[in-house]
This record gives sequence, structure tokens and C-alpha cells, in this order.
Amino acid sequence: ETGVTQSPTHLIKTRGQQVTLRCSSQSGHNTVSWYQQALGQGPQFIFQYYREEENGRGNFPPRFSGLQFPNYSSELNVNALELDDSALYLCASRDWGSSSEQYFGPGTRLTVT
Amino acid sequence: KNEVEQSPQNLTAQEGEFITINCSYSVGISALHWLQQHPGGGIVSLFMLSSGKKKHGRLIATINIQEKHSSLHITASHPRDSAVYICAVKDGGSQGNLIFGKGTKLSVKP
Repeated sequence: ETGVTQSPTHLIKTRGQQVTLRCSSQSGHNTVSWYQQALGQGPQFIFQYYREEENGRGNFPPRFSGLQFPNYSSELNVNALELDDSALYLCASRDWGSSSEQYFGPGTRLTVT
Repeated sequence: KNEVEQSPQNLTAQEGEFITINCSYSVGISALHWLQQHPGGGIVSLFMLSSGKKKHGRLIATINIQEKHSSLHITASHPRDSAVYICAVKDGGSQGNLIFGKGTKLSVKP
């Protein structure tokens, strides 16, 4: 059983550019959530995907979008990058159901200059 | 006011000390998580609990649903316990997403 993996581990982008971050869910998990963690803060919920559809979203603008694929891997896309988008982006996978535990990936550290 | 509050924000202890980290929350929850985050960024789930108490090795987590409060205890602390400990609650009214505290940075000195 493989854990949650994310790529890339680090990324530097310029303001105004677009970025795609990737997440591979733990085997058997059909739900993935993305979180943004600014330096010194706890993670903030961006959105969640279940069976390829977004079914929950936090307080993030539409330039944050996502995809989930049939194999349950996922992408987070951010358009028109701003300096404040610099953060650690975490994905977490689980099996659908309120009692199921989330398993986190190692994160992608994005720096916007 | 944040929905999940942790205390203390920073904690320095000597090796061998008993450590307590507290978490209070203001929303209805279906479960509470204690997570550990090392400097590299990766998060490891320590406990998920909805009532009572759980123990794993030197770690103990308790929750009081009526008081909306949870504690994480570390017995016989060791320098390798140095990390950020995060409390997160699963909002009972949502799709199971987590609301996080800001974390408690623990440093255990040898």
C-alpha cells in the first residue's frame, strides 16, 4: 500500500504565472482534500474532490481550481499567482465517510516572487 | 476568534519532562485529530478521536465533548519529539473537512 505523494516538492514561480501541483492518493482512497499552509499558520481548507467532482470549498477565489482523475489522483491549479500564494500546499486522501481518517502527503512548497 | 485554539503556541521542555498541549474548539465536531508536523512540512496523523482517551506509546490524547476541549500529553519527552503539534477538528456539518489550529511548536532539549 503506497502513501500519499505530491509533486513537485519545491517550486518557484513569478507573480502572474500559473502553477499546477499534483497529488497521488493512497491506494483505495476516493476523496482528496487540498490545504494551504502559510508560514507559521495552520493549514486552511481549499477544496475537496470526491469521485472526480468538487464537493466542498473553503474561502478561496476561483483562480484556485482542481481536478480529480478516475484513478483518484488530483491536481491543484492556481492562476494569476500572487505573492500571498507563497505557502506549503498539502493534499490529504481518505475513503469517503465521516469516520475515516485523512492521510497527508509531504506537501509542495510554492514560492511566488 | 478562531474556531480552533491551541495553547501554548511555543513550548520548550527538558528531556524527560511530561508535556501537555491543549486544544479548544467552538464548533460542533464529529472527530478531533492530533497531527505532528516536522520542519520538512509533512504531516503525520497521531490520533483521531471522538470521545474518551487514546494512547499510543508515550502519547496520550483525551477529549471532553461537553467542554469542547482536548489535550495531547507526551510522557518522558525526548528531543525527537520536537515538532509542531496541530489540533484539527472535523466539522460535523461539513463534508468531513478539517479545521486546523495554528499549532504548538515543541522543542525538547537534551
